[in-house]
Amino acid sequence: GAGVSQTPSNKVTEKGKYVELRCDPISGHTALYWYRQSLGQGPEFLIYFQGTGAADDSGLPNDRFFAVRPEGSVSTLKIQRTERGDSAVYLCASSLTGITEAFFGQGTRLTVV
Amino acid sequence: TQLLEQSPQFLSIQEGENLTVYCNSSSVFSSLQWYRQEPGEGPVLLVTVVTGGEVKKLKRLTFQFGDARKDSSLHITAAQPGDTGLYLCAGAGGNQFYFGTGTSLTVIP
Repeated sequence: GAGVSQTPSNKVTEKGKYVELRCDPISGHTALYWYRQSLGQGPEFLIYFQGTGAADDSGLPNDRFFAVRPEGSVSTLKIQRTERGDSAVYLCASSLTGITEAFFGQGTRLTVV
Repeated sequence: TQLLEQSPQFLSIQEGENLTVYCNSSSVFSSLQWYRQEPGEGPVLLVTVVTGGEVKKLKRLTFQFGDARKDSSLHITAAQPGDTGLYLCAGAGGNQFYFGTGTSLTVIP
């Protein structure tokens, strides 16, 4: 597609539930990033994919968070047993190869109630 | 750990005024990006600077990368209400982009 697409744009879930957030990167971009942004803050790194593999998952806060990119294109961020502190905007970005210019999607606003 | 500090954190100015936003770090980056983010949207890339001392201009916006590639500045001339938004700098290093704390700019008509 023309840009990075994220779905859903908004997600409200109950504490303890499981959620999946989807990212469709720019066609041909091999690098994909997930970030999390809290209100009034800059984005915080979660995970980086190069192709199908997670090259760096050092930003994932705990083992409730997991992400996959099975075919090297679409990625899914999975959060188990959601907590109210997980509420944030989850941003996905892609870039052509590695650490070059990154283009962001519009984000998924996750609210855990 | 916040590798990049931006100042000021908040800025409210009148239309037509000039302003400068600073992005500082003790770390060296291979490149630095500036983004603008509007409420409910993702960050939109404005510019990438790569070479120490590099200056890039984008209409009324002037971006400069420090000689040591540790800091950067964004200067806006004759600000307009459409410039309102959250300005973010991001340094490229390792496997990620390290984002600054952001500068929230409001331009009053």
